[in-house]
Amino acid sequence: QSVLTQPPSVSGAPGQRVTISCSGSSSNLGADYDVQWYRQLRGTAPKVLIYANTHRPSGIPDRFSGSRSDTSASLAITGLLAEDEADYYCQSYDSSLSGSWVFGGGTKLTVL
Amino acid sequence: QVQLVQSGAEVKKPGDSVTVSCRASGYSFPDYPLHWVRQMPGQKFEWMGWINVANGHTKYSQNFQGRVAILRDTSARTAYLDLSSLTSEDTAVYYCTRGLCDTCYGGDYWGQGTLVTVSS
Repeated sequence: QSVLTQPPSVSGAPGQRVTISCSGSSSNLGADYDVQWYRQLRGTAPKVLIYANTHRPSGIPDRFSGSRSDTSASLAITGLLAEDEADYYCQSYDSSLSGSWVFGGGTKLTVL
Repeated sequence: QVQLVQSGAEVKKPGDSVTVSCRASGYSFPDYPLHWVRQMPGQKFEWMGWINVANGHTKYSQNFQGRVAILRDTSARTAYLDLSSLTSEDTAVYYCTRGLCDTCYGGDYWGQGTLVTVSS
């Protein structure tokens, strides 16, 4: 069981907007630690989409945006494309047990 | 461009040790920390630890205390993950990732992953 909680799956039609939620607790998101979002295609390494809650690395289109509030965070994807079909993971830091990175269990995005 | 290139797949027996390497290029190696993360079958990620490449300071997850070591060779621009006393539960893909910064909690560039299979 992952420390951060994500829905197992979301779906949307091309052109639509979808959001993926990430829920934590007082020792991670509630303690104001930054959230990162990664996309992973099957058999490849994760790729960062959002870092420090809301920032996009260069090369990531503005169709991807991040937000957070208290013990939760969200990734929004607008103008869905077929190529967005992938697994998405949130990640942060947890101050319990001497501190460590923690991850969500991942959300499979299906483009209908 | 920034690249992290990891060593190839390994097959080990229970009780063995494994070393995975991660060679960095395209940036100033000492300026960024390197973390190791593994992905279990079923996709769950688990952070293992990190190394401050400049001074060699390390911190490990409590889940691996006593059987993990992270080292670096700055002249070779390479970091290493050593994991000992392997069991079947250590079967996973192991990734190195460059930390966003020394005090940040995420990675920007990732290696391609190294599959470690532990089987008798």
